[in-house]
Amino acid sequence: AQSVTQLDSQVPVFEEAPVELRCNYSSSVSVYLFWYVQYPNQGLQLLLKYLSGSTLVKGINGFEAEFNKSQTSFHLRKPSVHISDTAEYFCAVSYTGRRALTFGSGTRLQVQP
Amino acid sequence: DVKVTQSSRYLVKRTGEKVFLECVQDMDHENMFWYRQDPGLGLRLIYFSYDVKMKEKGDIPEGYSVSREKKERFSLILESASTNQTSMYLCASSETGRTEAFFGQGTRLTVV
Repeated sequence: AQSVTQLDSQVPVFEEAPVELRCNYSSSVSVYLFWYVQYPNQGLQLLLKYLSGSTLVKGINGFEAEFNKSQTSFHLRKPSVHISDTAEYFCAVSYTGRRALTFGSGTRLQVQP
Repeated sequence: DVKVTQSSRYLVKRTGEKVFLECVQDMDHENMFWYRQDPGLGLRLIYFSYDVKMKEKGDIPEGYSVSREKKERFSLILESASTNQTSMYLCASSETGRTEAFFGQGTRLTVV
């Protein structure tokens, strides 16, 4: 079955520290990959996407992610977080033959002063 | 900017009521989706539609139905609301093909 795994349900980090949010997906011939952010009481906003080309993808708000096909991973990184980055982050995958995105369970990033 | 608008941010309904959640998008997208979001479970697909009057079941369709009479509007219907349907409901839309989805603000439904 196609699935997306976000192993860390919560990640506490201090302001200005680096952070990595992990995402692994079940293997498939062709995948498109996405990261979304959800601020409290809001919908989801696209952070970045990988469709093809360079495996390092840059997104909004200083985030970037790296597609690793051999490890079926798409980890999200930011070199220095701000208090305003406190939110829930969702990894999503578009699998061949499925119109809808498949989402992970989410990682809550808590940035502390 | 793409806009997906859900008719209500918060709803409180009684067990057994018929509940309608409405969603409108303004970008002429072919695909529209209803997801349910619960803590620790992420987003789970209830139903989606790829054209007017066309629909397909998602991963958790039981207890729900949908309607798409116009391209821009996609409704989620709870035929007889139950307490286990208390949740955040998110509507989304996308173009044809495997592209990103654009989300509405969500409707937090409480069934008492």
